[in-house]
Amino acid sequence: QKEVEQNSGPLSVPEGAIASLNCTYSDRGSQSFFWYRQYSGKSPELIMFIYSNGDKEDGRFTAQLNKASQYVSLLIRDSQPSDSATYLCAVPGANNLFFGTGTRLTVIP
Amino acid sequence: DTAVSQTPKYLVTQMGNDKSIKCEQNLGHDTMYWYKQDSKKFLKIMFSYNNKELIINETVPNRFSPKSPDKAHLNLHINSLELGDSAVYFCASSRKGTLQWEKLLFGSGTQLSVL
Repeated sequence: QKEVEQNSGPLSVPEGAIASLNCTYSDRGSQSFFWYRQYSGKSPELIMFIYSNGDKEDGRFTAQLNKASQYVSLLIRDSQPSDSATYLCAVPGANNLFFGTGTRLTVIP
Repeated sequence: DTAVSQTPKYLVTQMGNDKSIKCEQNLGHDTMYWYKQDSKKFLKIMFSYNNKELIINETVPNRFSPKSPDKAHLNLHINSLELGDSAVYFCASSRKGTLQWEKLLFGSGTQLSVL
């Protein structure tokens, strides 16, 4: 089973700051990586994916991938209280996604 | 509305009972999944079906039996419920294809509480 590790947090940042969420993975052969966001009491929803080394930006979100170091991160710029949620990193296996345990982010107004 | 819908949203039952959770998607997706999320928020695959065929059956007690009558439905039946089965169960679906099947769309979850 592929292993995906995340710091469970909680991670607290003030409103307007940059939140940085990190994920490490064990399988060097992993090619693509996915970030899901899960609000409390709700289901996970896909917010970003990345498969090339470097950065991928989408609005206030930037995914960063470093395959040599086997980590992927998610940066949230200008954090808002509405970004408060658990962020799950996921790595594909043969036919399913392996999820990390998630990092709980709290943005303080 | 196009979505993945699962019922019931809450299920409270006694140990030893048998219960079912239903899931339906009207997105035309090829693959459906059952995930279990424990109290620590760890989301773990249980089963995966592709066009009604079972393709993943993780280490899950055989008290859990999925059934897919057609590719739009994947139900989960649980026999002889135990306290440790208490969790949130999510149904999900996705299309086929690289960088498509990984984009899971989840149902709203079923909170199962076994007393």
